[in-house]
Amino acid sequence: EAGVTQSPTHLIKTRGQQATLRCSPISGHTSVYWYQQALGLGLQFLLWYDEGEERNRGNFPPRFSGRQFPNYSSELNVNALELEDSALYLCASRARAPYNEQFFGPGTRLTVL
Amino acid sequence: AQSVAQPEDQVNVAEGNPLTVKCTYSVSGNPYLFWYVQYPNRGLQFLLKYITGDNLVKGSYGFEAEFNKSQTSFHLKKPSALVSDSALYFCAVRDISGASGTYKYIFGTGTRLKVLA
Repeated sequence: EAGVTQSPTHLIKTRGQQATLRCSPISGHTSVYWYQQALGLGLQFLLWYDEGEERNRGNFPPRFSGRQFPNYSSELNVNALELEDSALYLCASRARAPYNEQFFGPGTRLTVL
Repeated sequence: AQSVAQPEDQVNVAEGNPLTVKCTYSVSGNPYLFWYVQYPNRGLQFLLKYITGDNLVKGSYGFEAEFNKSQTSFHLKKPSALVSDSALYFCAVRDISGASGTYKYIFGTGTRLKVLA
């Protein structure tokens, strides 16, 4: 069974540009979560999508947005990039209840210059 | 608000010795607790979870965790550490909030485990 995949592996942008990150969940999983892992800060929850809808978001500005497609894949968009957006962005998927554990992708390393 | 704390940034243990990575939590209800491991340049891997039932939970790679309600702890343990266990370990709790029952997962800041040969 294929795991969660993310693309691209690395992304380099300059301040003010926009970044788009993509995630494909495990087959059959309907929920997708996005996290930011900045150096020394652990995982910060960004967004949760389930069945195509945004269910919850973390304490991030509106320039962080995303969507979930009918095949449950997801993309994260970050507009007006700032230097502090440089981080590893992790996507995780989860099956429908009663399953609670998340399965993570390898991440996209975003560097903002 | 629910939270999870990992009081140790790093834990060092000799190979073959037992290891413990600590986690405490704060919840307003029954806790859903998780442990994940992250190897360098990789995503997180699920190790084990506690939802209900036995306080001792067994997981992948010989790891186990003990749920202690009175101490609000969920420490990760392994009887005999391997050098290959060296990695970053995260404890997480599921936070249910709001009238609609939406929830999110809150992660601790991580504990780096170093197993010395």
